[in-house]
Formats: sequence, structure tokens, C-alpha cells
Amino acid sequence: ETGVTQTPRHLVMGMTNKKSLKCEQHLGHNAMYWYKQSAKKPLELMFVYNFKEQTENNSVPSRFSPECPNSSHLFLHLHTLQPEDSALYLCASSQVGDSEGYTFGSGTRLTVV
Amino acid sequence: GQNIDQPTEMTATEGAIVQINCTYQTSGFNGLFWYQQHAGEAPTFLSYNVLDGLEEKGRFSSFLSRSKGYSYLLLKELQMKDSASYLCAVHSAGGGSYIPTFGRGTSLIVHP
Repeated sequence: ETGVTQTPRHLVMGMTNKKSLKCEQHLGHNAMYWYKQSAKKPLELMFVYNFKEQTENNSVPSRFSPECPNSSHLFLHLHTLQPEDSALYLCASSQVGDSEGYTFGSGTRLTVV
Repeated sequence: GQNIDQPTEMTATEGAIVQINCTYQTSGFNGLFWYQQHAGEAPTFLSYNVLDGLEEKGRFSSFLSRSKGYSYLLLKELQMKDSASYLCAVHSAGGGSYIPTFGRGTSLIVHP
């Protein structure tokens, strides 16, 4: 496999459920990111991991919990979400200092009911 | 903080040229990216500018003026498949890490 792979592609969950989003990159990049994309709003940076260490937490509610066990994998654990959390969640990776930008996964379309 | 501004929507005719502007205010500027995002798909990288001037890649060109906090993406010989959202993203260095911030995106509609 190549690029950035996200699973699942679609997820419907109740407000009391616990679920996890998974992201895997096969590009040898050293940074990974979680973004939230809602309709009519810019991409919102949620978390940044450089060399497996979390370097940014952009004031994200604690019901979103990231995990980065190694430089190739990134998870977003979800717990007691709200309907307004419904959005497209995009994972991206990059090589810090590289001019080729970020490679995005296809995203997980999350619906909270 | 950072502020990135780009038009919400633009329309153009197939075969024409369109320029999408982006203005930004940031500290620790470390480059500006343009991405293309088709509906329901992930953003894909188009261009990167860190120095002033024009970068050309086939039908797409990107320009940067750091002193003016201004960039544009120029699309030539428009095709129907160019209908997409175009995202301006500014890279800044802060606290030892690199912070990417995106604008709201410009929805480009190309019609015959």
C-alpha cells in the first residue's frame, strides 16, 4: 500500500458510543496530523505529532483523544460525541522541512446521532 | 494568531484563465501551499512557495509576495475537471513545531 490510508471511510455512532479512527502512512514521513472539515468552514487543525510526540493540541475537547504508537500510525479515539462533531475527519502526514506539503488520507465521514 | 482570506466562490468558462487570490497574516511564515479538493475527496497538493515570485507547473502557477502577505493561484486553459475547491494554506513555525493553517477554500465552478 502507498500513501495515507484511513479507516473506516464512513462511521455512524451514537452519542454514548466509543469508536476509534485509524490512519496509517507508508511514506516514511515524520509528522502526522488530524484535521476536522465541516461544511462551509476551513480545515481545522486538531492535533500534530512530530516524531511520535504530540506537539499541538488545538484546544480540542477531551472527548477526542489522539494516540500515536509509532511514526506510521495515528488514531483518534472518540467518546461521548455530540451531533455537532459530525464532520469529515482527515489525517495527513508530512516530512518536516519538505516542500512537498501534506499528503492527506481520504478521510472518515463521521455522523453522530 | 493567523488569518487567511480567500474568495468563497468563483466561476469561469472552459478554456479561460482564472486567478484565485489569498491574503494572509501570520508570524513565523515558513511557506504557502495550494491544495485542490474535489467534492467528497481528500485535498491534493498543487504548489508550494516560500520565496517571492512565480512557480509554474504546467497549467497551474502560484505566486507569492511575502511583504504583502499575498499569493495567487493561476489556472490556465481551464477544463471542466478543474471544478473543485482550492485551499490556501500557510505554514508557520512556532514553539519548535510547524503549524499548518488553512483558509476556507475557494469553490471554483467551470462551465462550458
